[in-house]
Amino acid sequence: NAGVTQTPKFQVLKTGQSMTLQCAQDMNHEYMSWYRQDPGMGLRLIHYSVGAGITDQGEVPNGYNVSRSTTEDFPLRLLSAAPSQTSVYFCASSPTGSGRASTQYFGPGTRLTVL
Amino acid sequence: GDSVTQMEGPVTLSEEAFLTINCTYTATGYPSLFWYVQYPGEGLQLLLKATKADDKGSNKGFEATYRKETTSFHLEKGSVQVSDSAVYFCALREFNDYKLSFGAGTTVTVRA
Repeated sequence: NAGVTQTPKFQVLKTGQSMTLQCAQDMNHEYMSWYRQDPGMGLRLIHYSVGAGITDQGEVPNGYNVSRSTTEDFPLRLLSAAPSQTSVYFCASSPTGSGRASTQYFGPGTRLTVL
Repeated sequence: GDSVTQMEGPVTLSEEAFLTINCTYTATGYPSLFWYVQYPGEGLQLLLKATKADDKGSNKGFEATYRKETTSFHLEKGSVQVSDSAVYFCALREFNDYKLSFGAGTTVTVRA
């Protein structure tokens, strides 16, 4: 199993550009999510999905879109990049049938810089 | 809403020293509690977890006990190594939910 994979690892954008951060998992997990990590703020939830065709907003959704057409993939789209979106982005997945013990597995992250 | 507060770092220790990172939480329900670790340049890995009161999670010499009466989940290790240098995150997940709420993270540096 590759686990959770993310591409690209690094990206530099200019203000106003759009791009898609890719996330894939091969563990057949129903739940997937996107977080951003900023210094001193921990990880904040952007969007999440409990299964194909179902998405919902997290704590900081503005400026981001997601879709979930398959169980495996959960791309994050930046519509018009802003310097405030400079951050490290992590994708995570977990099974939904493990109750209280369910654990989230994280990808290696994408470091995004918006100039 | 749910929140997690953990001690601010950075924390710098010598090898074989005792490490404690405090974590307290506020939750509307009865959450599961987690410690994640992030080594330099990597993603987050689960270090340990506890799903009910008085449970002790343990892994790699680290321990944390779920204390419902004090809403705490402090992380401890008796003798740290240089390889324990990392950022440690406390997190909670409410029952019947899958979203994690994270603390701000504590950077730990262990010197030889």
